[in-house]
Amino acid sequence: SQKIEQNSEALNIQEGKTATLTCNYTNYSPAYLQWYRQDPGRGPVFLLLIRENEKEKRKERLKVTFDTTLKQSLFHITASQPADSATYLCALSPSGTYKYIFGTGTRLKVLA
Amino acid sequence: EAQVTQNPRYLITVTGKKLTVTCSQNMNHEYMSWYRQDPGLGLRQIYYSMNVEVTDKGDVPEGYKVSRKEKRNFPLILESPSPNQTSLYFCASSPRTSSETQYFGPGTRLLVL
Repeated sequence: SQKIEQNSEALNIQEGKTATLTCNYTNYSPAYLQWYRQDPGRGPVFLLLIRENEKEKRKERLKVTFDTTLKQSLFHITASQPADSATYLCALSPSGTYKYIFGTGTRLKVLA
Repeated sequence: EAQVTQNPRYLITVTGKKLTVTCSQNMNHEYMSWYRQDPGLGLRQIYYSMNVEVTDKGDVPEGYKVSRKEKRNFPLILESPSPNQTSLYFCASSPRTSSETQYFGPGTRLLVL
């Protein structure tokens, strides 16, 4: 069956450290993968997109990697801050469709 | 201000009483979509629309209807709500069908008694 999985447990890290979140998918061949941030009670906000032919993408303190062989994307936040505390969602659009599939998200808490 | 708006933001209703949740975007986006979010299940797509008069089912369309008569509006209709449709609902839009970024509304929290 087709699945997209993120660490279901919350991730607690110390301020200033690098947070690494994982997104694994099975039985999809996405052309790209997206990462969103969601704060409690609010709609997701787009952060980064990485295409299948890209290994790595950066935006300020954020970095995303995409390994189509492992079927995995890693999302890194360097020099993390308490304001980075939120739930992070990965999403993909299966090739040949206009649908979107989201992971269940990983809740990140950055401790001061 | 460019935005996606939803109304109402909160709604309590009873089983079987038809309701409509409105969604509107002021960005001239082609693609619009509805999601529901439930604890442990994440965001699941209900319906999406590639343009006016073009809609298709997402992963969880049962019990819902949509229409896209105008580009800016994409209402979600629950003809006969049931308690299992209690959820947090989000509308989203993208500039084009092939766009890779979605802009989400603020959400509608629905409780069906």
